[in-house]
Amino acid sequence: DSGVTQTPKHLITATGQRVTLRCSPRSGDLSVYWYQQSLDQGLQFLIQYYNGEERAKGNILERFSAQQFPDLHSELNLSSLELGDSALYFCASSPRQEFDTGELFFGEGSRLTVL
Amino acid sequence: QKEVEQDPGPLSVPEGAIVSLNCTYSNSAFQYFMWYRQYSRKGPELLMYTYSSGNKEDGRFTAQVDKSSKYISLFIRDSQPSDSATYLCAMRSSASKIIFGSGTRLSIRP
Repeated sequence: DSGVTQTPKHLITATGQRVTLRCSPRSGDLSVYWYQQSLDQGLQFLIQYYNGEERAKGNILERFSAQQFPDLHSELNLSSLELGDSALYFCASSPRQEFDTGELFFGEGSRLTVL
Repeated sequence: QKEVEQDPGPLSVPEGAIVSLNCTYSNSAFQYFMWYRQYSRKGPELLMYTYSSGNKEDGRFTAQVDKSSKYISLFIRDSQPSDSATYLCAMRSSASKIIFGSGTRLSIRP
């Protein structure tokens, strides 16, 4: 158990809808990262927050947004969903601001299916 | 062209065999190299972490980095069925985000 909690584990929704994925990092970790994993694209970095502030941005679509709250939990909002958004969404946490140790602690993911 | 290329497999070997997993990359600025292991229905977990070129050994696992060839490898000795998982290479430069390979699915046959 990595200590990172993600909810929901599974989510099925329709095109055009909006969903929110939630992540609680390990106790004491200040950085939260969101990744998307699909069969054809592998693990793609979306966005990182450190202590409530956006720190780095990856291949995140404009339809997606995220935030980190004062209690350090984070939410990833996906709107105007398309079939291609079906994927596993992982949250990871680390104690540091930079990717300096390379060790990210991943949750078990939220599997999103868009029909 | 992707920054990190990894053969998706699947790779199936008998128990006890030596397994070799590889990645190539194009960005010569990468200095930190990692291998993550991902079991089915779980998140990735860090297995090995190396800096720059050379070898690093941890039990049955050895990570090798050849920066001149832009090639990294993970060797698993005396492979066990419990090693069956997807192995993702990952790397980054000094101040960049981590780039992951697409993963190689490994199956160890008892």
